[in-house]
Amino acid sequence: AQRVTQPEKLLSVFKGAPVELKCNYSYSGSPELFWYVQYSRQRLQLLLRHISRESIKGFTADLNKGETSFHLKKPFAQEEDSAMYYCALSGLGYGNKLVFGAGTILRVKS
Amino acid sequence: DTGVSQNPRHKITKRGQNVTFRCDPISEHNRLYWYRQTLGQGPEFLTYFQNEAQLEKSRLLSDRFSAERPKGSFSTLEIQRTEQGDSAMYLCASSLADVWTRTYGYTFGSGTRLTVV
Repeated sequence: AQRVTQPEKLLSVFKGAPVELKCNYSYSGSPELFWYVQYSRQRLQLLLRHISRESIKGFTADLNKGETSFHLKKPFAQEEDSAMYYCALSGLGYGNKLVFGAGTILRVKS
Repeated sequence: DTGVSQNPRHKITKRGQNVTFRCDPISEHNRLYWYRQTLGQGPEFLTYFQNEAQLEKSRLLSDRFSAERPKGSFSTLEIQRTEQGDSAMYLCASSLADVWTRTYGYTFGSGTRLTVV
């Protein structure tokens, strides 16, 4: 079964502190992993894909197949990073439908 | 092209009534997805279309739900005989999938919030 687990409902950090949003997945195969973000009153939007191996808005995420994790990291949090973050996976041959975690609210305090 | 558009933004209906939502995807996208999101949860897959063909339906999609995508353009999601448990945010997304069925990420609409009273 495909499953995505985000263990923290809320993560609160101070501006300038490092951020790590945790994501673990269960999938028998080679999944594609994503992070989506939803800022207040905005639509859900793609933040980054593991296959791109890029850094977006200072965020990076590395796929660890051994630990089946895809944690999202940023070395120095900014207030504008406050949002809801969803980890999601899709598998080839499944219509690329996404399975989402429950999400983590990130609050960056000044 | 301003992205994925969904109408209406909000819908309040009485239990037992039928409702229909519309989604206009990005024009060059060949795939269209419907998701449902309830409070405190991530979006859950309902169904998807490749052009006009509906290729998969989730078990979440009971017989009261039907979706169409005529001519591979806009899509409609209809819920018949609504129940209070249908109250949720209904999200539409579109994507471009290549011949190897890889996709390059979704573009989501703003959603339609349904409240059944």
